[in-house]
Amino acid sequence: QSVLTQPPSASGTPGQRVTISCSGSSSNIGSNYVYWYQQLPGTAPKLLIYRNNQRPSGVPDRFSGSKSGTSASLAISGLRSEDEADYYCAAWDDSLSGQEFGGGTKLTVL
Amino acid sequence: QVQLVQSGVEVKKPGASVKVSCKASGYTFTSYGITWVRQAPGQGLEWMGWISAYNGNTNYAQKLQGRVTMTTDTSTSTAYMELRSLRSDDTAVYYCARDLGGTYDYYMDVWGKGTTVTVSS
Repeated sequence: QSVLTQPPSASGTPGQRVTISCSGSSSNIGSNYVYWYQQLPGTAPKLLIYRNNQRPSGVPDRFSGSKSGTSASLAISGLRSEDEADYYCAAWDDSLSGQEFGGGTKLTVL
Repeated sequence: QVQLVQSGVEVKKPGASVKVSCKASGYTFTSYGITWVRQAPGQGLEWMGWISAYNGNTNYAQKLQGRVTMTTDTSTSTAYMELRSLRSDDTAVYYCARDLGGTYDYYMDVWGKGTTVTVSS
């Protein structure tokens, strides 16, 4: 079981705004950066958000990240069919001395 | 363009070792680290560890300490991940990725396509 908790699934319709949560503790999210990755079926993960809310070049501004206390969120606005994928949060955990990934959230675009 | 090319499919017996390679191109290899991540069938991502391509410093997941070794060959811009004493639950796709951060701040912008490692008797 991961120390970062994500809902196993989320869904939305095209154009809608959806958020995916990532809940942790003081030893991970509460004291370190949060990162978000998107994994399309059968492909390698792709970096979406780094250092809580920074977008790499090429990532649309429809994707945004935020952090508050020991929780973080990924928001996707203007949902598109191509956003259907698995989404993972990640953060360093001081107690485990390792980078931890959330269990992943499967996003379905209805 | 920046890319990481990984070695091919591996099938190993329990107790054996596997060594996966990851050849970088399109950037200065020693300016970044390499992180290794694995994904068991139908499961999530698992961070295995990180190596600095600059000085060879490593940081391994506690769970794999003693079984994993990450190395680099700067003459060929290649990173390696060796996992020993393989078990069936090591069956996974193994990814290498270029790491833009550093200690406690690992984030990966370019990924290899993955190497499938199957452990079976």
